[in-house]
Amino acid sequence: EPEVTQTPSHQVTQMGQEVILRCVPISNHLYFYWYRQILGQKVEFLVSFYNNEISEKSEIFDDQFSVERPDGSNFTLKIRSTKLEDSAMYFCASSGEGGETQYFGPGTRLLVL
Amino acid sequence: AQKVTQAQTEISVVEKEDVTLDCVYETRDTTYYLFWYKQPPSGELVFLIRRNSFDEQNEISGRYSWNFQKSTSSFNFTITASQVVDSAVYFCALSEFMNTGFQKLVFGTGTRLLVSP
Repeated sequence: EPEVTQTPSHQVTQMGQEVILRCVPISNHLYFYWYRQILGQKVEFLVSFYNNEISEKSEIFDDQFSVERPDGSNFTLKIRSTKLEDSAMYFCASSGEGGETQYFGPGTRLLVL
Repeated sequence: AQKVTQAQTEISVVEKEDVTLDCVYETRDTTYYLFWYKQPPSGELVFLIRRNSFDEQNEISGRYSWNFQKSTSSFNFTITASQVVDSAVYFCALSEFMNTGFQKLVFGTGTRLLVSP
């Protein structure tokens, strides 16, 4: 069964460093998303991406964040200068159509020290 | 704005008991989707069900069943004969269509279910 994959599963970084979180969405999906979950809290929308551009972003997704689809399979989230409060689980998701079910990857647990 | 409320923070049951997880939502959209996701201790989000706002039929899948009531804006989830493997955090989510026409998911705060042997 097709699934969304994410790498790395865990990442530890120093405050101020850049991190890139990688995702491989389900191959025939066209809509891509990033969400984050601060430990013990609910899952929050960050950004949606379609047709090689951001379609929507939340107030959390400030200038420190960027997304890219560098090739036909990968979808990345970059945090330019990490802050302590960026520590969270980051989930990638994809869907076939805009209104269809979003399938989530296993997440990347980011810890900023 | 859309909102999802899961009032039960944590529920503890003994194996084989039935348990119902509550979900109440608020939306201004006439067409929307409701979802349940399971988050086991390993952390991933596992899709369980998607329900269209026009379809109020209850659904059963094995030990799982869902009761969608538009009149009370609720989408409750029942596990029959619970098992230890059901222990997880369960999230109810609601689609929110944005100005661009794209949708995002709005999640509730989750209900942690502990099933003991």
